[in-house]
Amino acid sequence: DTGVSQNPRHKITKRGQNVTFRCDPISEHNRLYWYRQTLGQGPEFLTYFQNEAQLEKSRLLSDRFSAERPKGSFSTLEIQRTEQGDSAMYLCASSPRTGENIQYFGAGTRLSVL
Amino acid sequence: AQRVTQPEKLLSVFKGAPVELKCNYSYSGSPELFWYVQYSRQRLQLLLRHISRESIKGFTADLNKGETSFHLKKPFAQEEDSAMYYCALTSLGFQKLVFGTGTRLLVSP
Repeated sequence: DTGVSQNPRHKITKRGQNVTFRCDPISEHNRLYWYRQTLGQGPEFLTYFQNEAQLEKSRLLSDRFSAERPKGSFSTLEIQRTEQGDSAMYLCASSPRTGENIQYFGAGTRLSVL
Repeated sequence: AQRVTQPEKLLSVFKGAPVELKCNYSYSGSPELFWYVQYSRQRLQLLLRHISRESIKGFTADLNKGETSFHLKKPFAQEEDSAMYYCALTSLGFQKLVFGTGTRLLVSP
């Protein structure tokens, strides 16, 4: 599968625990995006990277959230001290730097905070 | 502020009937508009974009800047069209997508 890969697919955690998600973009895609989707809503932008540089962060991304893309390839999204309100589907997408402005999405990581 | 509005949460039609999924947007500038689709148990995928002005799976969408709309249309719905449809916009320049809340299309036999 050469599409965007996200791991794990599901994560159940207790309130207060830290969780980390991983996203592997399509090879050679320079741009990588994180979105969050809650029930009944469309995906909401969290942050995006061009190569290893984090260029934009949404106000949704509180201090408990941090994202990295250290080598410009895969990315991780960490949530510290999880809260029940963090329960959502976390989506990753990637797009090439040049060419068509199309974002290709992963299957997502579903987080449930108990 | 950028905003995408999809007024219908659910649209239910019979096979062969015409379909129109509404999308209105607000954006100060020249946005790029998309329709993304999510079939059951599949990931979100691009259906079409206004720049390409093409028909995909029989669907078309025309950008109406005067009415700030980008409605998705298909003359004859098929059962396999049943899915969740999201309208989205971005600014020209490969930045974030702003999504609407989505419309579930249900096509019955």
